[in-house]
Amino acid sequence: DAGITQSPRHKVTETGTPVTLRCHQTENHRYMYWYRQDPGHGLRLIHYSYGVKDTDKGEVSDGYSVSRSKTEDFLLTLESATSSQTSVYFCAISESGGTETQYFGPGTRLLVL
Amino acid sequence: AQKITQTQPGMFVQEKEAVTLDCTYDTSDQSYGLFWYKQPSSGEMIFLIYQGSYDEQNATEGRYSLNFQKARKSANLVISASQLGDSAMYFCAMSLRGGGFKTIFGAGTRLFVKA
Repeated sequence: DAGITQSPRHKVTETGTPVTLRCHQTENHRYMYWYRQDPGHGLRLIHYSYGVKDTDKGEVSDGYSVSRSKTEDFLLTLESATSSQTSVYFCAISESGGTETQYFGPGTRLLVL
Repeated sequence: AQKITQTQPGMFVQEKEAVTLDCTYDTSDQSYGLFWYKQPSSGEMIFLIYQGSYDEQNATEGRYSLNFQKARKSANLVISASQLGDSAMYFCAMSLRGGGFKTIFGAGTRLFVKA
């Protein structure tokens, strides 16, 4: 199994508070991704990174920011959480981008009240 | 528009029988990858199988095979000899190389394996 951990695994927060989710990998893969999973939508890409300090937006990036200061860590921040951001968040990694296989972390369940 | 369609929200299969989960995709890109992932009730996303758009042979991984029909833009997952542990949600996905980066997931098919 790919060495990917996410923290926290569960979080309950209130509307308007900032939230940061962390993804950590031990595979030294160049690409890292954040997805959200909602019923009926499958997974949707929020942001991705193709190297340290190199990030780009995905399909549903509004309300989210990311940072990658080290190869192994990719942070997702909700600057001011809203109830619509209640979701399950998955981190994924791949050796390169494009059509490479992505391997997923265990997920983080976020509830915004 | 680039899209993945899984038309079967739920399916039942008898243990030890084979089952096919449907996936159609839409893209004008020539270079793409097609994937299937399994999500059991515990929630993790497990990679099952990959097919590249230029691969001429259908991908096979143990009991999983991907029936790739490029002209029809379909990438169906075939699970042979179903087991109770195969009960899960299955997602088809497509990754595109051109014009930046994009991965698109279908809405999923929930498979129930009956004893």
